[in-house]
Amino acid sequence: GAGVSQSPSNKVTEKGKDVELRCDPISGHTALYWYRQRLGQGLEFLIYFQGNSAPDKSGLPSDRFSAERTGESVSTLTIQRTQQEDSAVYLCASSLTAGGQYEQYFGPGTRLTVT
Amino acid sequence: AQSVAQPEDQVNVAEGNPLTVKCTYSVSGNPYLFWYVQYPNRGLQFLLKYITGDNLVKGSYGFEAEFNKSQTSFHLKKPSALVSDSALYFCAGGRRALTFGSGTRLQVQP
Repeated sequence: GAGVSQSPSNKVTEKGKDVELRCDPISGHTALYWYRQRLGQGLEFLIYFQGNSAPDKSGLPSDRFSAERTGESVSTLTIQRTQQEDSAVYLCASSLTAGGQYEQYFGPGTRLTVT
Repeated sequence: AQSVAQPEDQVNVAEGNPLTVKCTYSVSGNPYLFWYVQYPNRGLQFLLKYITGDNLVKGSYGFEAEFNKSQTSFHLKKPSALVSDSALYFCAGGRRALTFGSGTRLQVQP
């Protein structure tokens, strides 16, 4: 079946502008995650959605970052007033959360460059 | 708090030789551990996981990993490396929000 998809694949924006990144999870996956990968580094957790529960926002680096998810489908990550340090690849993942099926499946990412 | 460490930035191995990519973890409770591989300009691909059960877990592309509770390790192994295995490998731990290691670049020489 279809994997996790993300759009856009690349985004170049000017410092101070707002950006929206989109994620379409695997159909039927109840959990959705956002991570950030800075150049040459590992992944940093940003936020996690599980069904209708309140999202786990513990990884968001500042109040300029927010995310929404509609039911168990599409999610958008919004970064307001972008800064150069926001330049990174933003990865979305989805997973099941029952029956030991905890592995997360990742999308190809959105490469964000803030100039 | 949990942490995952990959002590080697790069591992070099000759094609046909066995390979090991090291990972150690520090988590409270029962660890959920994963290995992912990242090829250039592509997303992360799931290789294998340890949730419970046998300490030796088998995954995709002939990879396996050994969970060692006393040494808090979860090393990735393959009996015979291929040039196509050259990529960036990440170890991760957690049940929901994953904590990732810094990654190990595997270079398999022909």
